[in-house]
Amino acid sequence: NAGVMQNPRHLVRRRGQEARLRCSPMKGHSHVYWYRQLPEEGLKFMVYLQKENIIDESGMPKERFSAEFPKEGPSILRIQQVVRGDSAAYFCASSPGVRADTQYFGPGTRLTVL
Amino acid sequence: QKEVEQNSGPLSVPEGAIASLNCTYSDRGSQSFFWYRQYSGKSPELIMSIYSNGDKEDGRFTAQLNKASQYVSLLIRDSQPSDSATYLCAFSGAGSYQLTFGKGTKLSVIP
Repeated sequence: NAGVMQNPRHLVRRRGQEARLRCSPMKGHSHVYWYRQLPEEGLKFMVYLQKENIIDESGMPKERFSAEFPKEGPSILRIQQVVRGDSAAYFCASSPGVRADTQYFGPGTRLTVL
Repeated sequence: QKEVEQNSGPLSVPEGAIASLNCTYSDRGSQSFFWYRQYSGKSPELIMSIYSNGDKEDGRFTAQLNKASQYVSLLIRDSQPSDSATYLCAFSGAGSYQLTFGKGTKLSVIP
């Protein structure tokens, strides 16, 4: 029974490069959420997606960040022109329905920007 | 702005003791409350969810919710060294899917 899968687990980028983070939800789950955890900070909601739809991106920075959840394949969080302040752990969670009580987290991608 | 307040700790308890973790929240419209455990360098793991006032028990864990006081707590009985982790309190509002997290309380169980 595979859980939420994320890759890569660790990603190193130089300033100005692009970072692509992937998330495959648990089997049977069609709702995906992305959260960011900065060092010494709590988890912050970024975006909520269903297949082919962005439902709520109110937590996403206005520039450089985008997310998608295509009909086929994993959800992708893309960060363009990364800066050092983007260094953080990015967690994906999934749920079978819209209720928040069934959000299960993946192992996270730890992004380091040099 | 919705906020969750937790004592950052560290909270140290001897093995076998009861660990008490507390959390207050600002949004009176909050409907669902959660406790997650996060080991260093790992992802959050759901421990308990609670939706109505009172106590909810699951094994060694008991969650307590008081909506009038906007307060939720987690008790860990017979604490074990393996319980040493950061405990995150989170809530969501009515019909909401966003989880709002506190910064967490670091628990250390001393053998």
